[in-house]
Amino acid sequence: EVQLQQSGPEVGRPGSSVKISCKASGYTFTDYVMNWVKQSPGQGLEWIGWIDPEYGSTDYAEKFKKKATLTADTSSNTAYIQLSSLTSEDTATYFCARGMNSGYGDYWGQGVMVTVSS
Amino acid sequence: DIQMTQSPASLSASLGETVTIECLASEDIYSNLAWYQQKPGKSPQLLIYYANSLNDGVPSRFSGSGSGTQYSLKINSLQSEDVSIYFCQQNYDSPRTFGGGTKLELK
Repeated sequence: EVQLQQSGPEVGRPGSSVKISCKASGYTFTDYVMNWVKQSPGQGLEWIGWIDPEYGSTDYAEKFKKKATLTADTSSNTAYIQLSSLTSEDTATYFCARGMNSGYGDYWGQGVMVTVSS
Repeated sequence: DIQMTQSPASLSASLGETVTIECLASEDIYSNLAWYQQKPGKSPQLLIYYANSLNDGVPSRFSGSGSGTQYSLKINSLQSEDVSIYFCQQNYDSPRTFGGGTKLELK
């Protein structure tokens, strides 16, 4: 059974960084890209980017190029997103989603709530 | 960036009714379109990919159609468990943009 288990909720101070994990199981981690998606409270979905765990290659939406850093550890089948220079605009739920074919998110993590507060 | 415009933003329908949600892309996306369902407090779930392919385990009352810039999601015989927010997403070009969502409620 494919599962994506994300880490727990985070609280970050303005200007700090947080790192969220997404541990994959039930499939070959390097066979699929991993998408990351942001959902601000009561809002829609924003695609942040994806990482190909096999090669470490990444693709980011322009808006998130200076905000997010995507990495993957093939030894632990875990993908990560680090969010830097946190502001109130970063308060949101962040999802990882396995990308099948050209990136369709066929399995999703449960989401991680990040709250930016002083 | 490719803009995805979903309509309507909200929709109220009765049990057993057929509903249709539309998604308009700002340029041709060559059927590289997905539909997701998101229930309150839950992660999105993939319903349809490549515009009209039903994802495993998705009830057959859901169907997708369209080409070029215009796409639609149809739900036949609406069930209570279909109350959700529905999003489209284009997978043709980067960034993989989403539509604004359609909130479906029961009348």
